[in-house]
Amino acid sequence: QAGLTQPPSVSEALRQTATVTCTGNSDNVGGQGAAWLQQHQGQPPKLLWYRDNTRPSGISERFSASRSGNKASLTITGLQPEDEADYYCSAWDDSLNAWLFGGGTRLTV
Amino acid sequence: QVQLVESGGGVVQPGGSLRLSCATSGFTFSKSYMHWVRQAPGKGLEWVAFIRDDGVAIYYADSVEGRFTISRDNSENMLFLQMNSLRPDDTAVYYCAKEPPARDLDHWGQGTLVTVS
Repeated sequence: QAGLTQPPSVSEALRQTATVTCTGNSDNVGGQGAAWLQQHQGQPPKLLWYRDNTRPSGISERFSASRSGNKASLTITGLQPEDEADYYCSAWDDSLNAWLFGGGTRLTV
Repeated sequence: QVQLVESGGGVVQPGGSLRLSCATSGFTFSKSYMHWVRQAPGKGLEWVAFIRDDGVAIYYADSVEGRFTISRDNSENMLFLQMNSLRPDDTAVYYCAKEPPARDLDHWGQGTLVTVS
């Protein structure tokens, strides 16, 4: 099964803004949007953003996401040291009947 | 609060079998979709299997189709993954995750390590 495409790494300075992108197709990201997860080393993933463009309870407003066509983006403003983590996009693929993940983006602050 | 606790991982020889369990609490299990997702050492997330709340709709990743079986017991709030014909590339931390119907994987367990060697 094909996955979603993310850049392997992104690096931004403290208190700046980072953007992570995720590219799919009309059967997944383009059709239903993408969710975003954060994973710190040795920890399970944590949902940051729902596909329906809402933020789970307890997630900082510094995290937001958007979508344009088959490309989704996660934006993190006011970068903090604790934002250093791996970030994954995910989406259901209607054609494959499969849940897809991006390859992950390592954010360095 | 929502809890998902995986168990059953361990070391198994190639060709062997293991059964993973996920004990859940803190939410209405019988109305939740459930998934297994794995992560090989140093690698990204890979979706493994999905089961709908009623257990009728089930989907698998191509890499495990025909070898793994996902199931659930709504009376016991338990999720299972029967893994047969295990291969070295099945080595990974296996997570169970819940999905409110047609939303996203919003809670994950801590994972259980499966090593095929």
